[in-house]
Amino acid sequence: QQQVKQSPQSLIVQKGGISIINCAYENTAFDYFPWYQQFPGKGPALLIAIRPDVSEKKEGRFTISFNKSAKQFSLHIMDSQPGDSATYFCAASKTGGSEKLVFGKGTKLTVNP
Amino acid sequence: DAGITQSPRHKVTETGTPVTLRCHQTENHRYMYWYRQDPGHGLRLIHYSYGVKDTDKGEVSDGYSVSRSKTEDFLLTLESATSSQTSVYFCAITTSGNEQFFGPGTRLTVL
Repeated sequence: QQQVKQSPQSLIVQKGGISIINCAYENTAFDYFPWYQQFPGKGPALLIAIRPDVSEKKEGRFTISFNKSAKQFSLHIMDSQPGDSATYFCAASKTGGSEKLVFGKGTKLTVNP
Repeated sequence: DAGITQSPRHKVTETGTPVTLRCHQTENHRYMYWYRQDPGHGLRLIHYSYGVKDTDKGEVSDGYSVSRSKTEDFLLTLESATSSQTSVYFCAITTSGNEQFFGPGTRLTVL
């Protein structure tokens, strides 16, 4: 089973700080790397995704950084807000087939006011 | 929400009883998936479908079966529920743009 390893398991930051979550993958055939945000009692919601042809993608306060040679990618949340408190999952897949996602185990982010 | 609904949203059942969970989508997406989510394990793929009557196993398929007789419906069946199948179950679809969206989930408790 190809794995995606996610760290840290939990993260506490102050309002206005930067939250950073890291993921590492093994399968070099993976070419799609999404991040999901999940609030308690809800399904995971697609937050932002990147493909290996770029090293960084930014959407508002959320940025994915991608390092193909290291097989790592990370999520940065700038100016973190209490409303960002949620569990974040990274994932990876190989497109062109069944699009099966392999997920990291999640990071519980708490942003203190 | 990509037009995904799941039913029931909550269910409590007893060990040994059969259980069927339903996923319904309104946008004719080809690929559909069933995941389970457990603390410390993240999301794990149970089964997936790549078309009507075309299904395949995922990472944790033992004890589960699926059926897809119509594009819009993907059923997950626990033939004889066990306490280890207490979990939150999510259905998902993949769009033509290769983005995967999840339903609201079903919380299943097996006593």
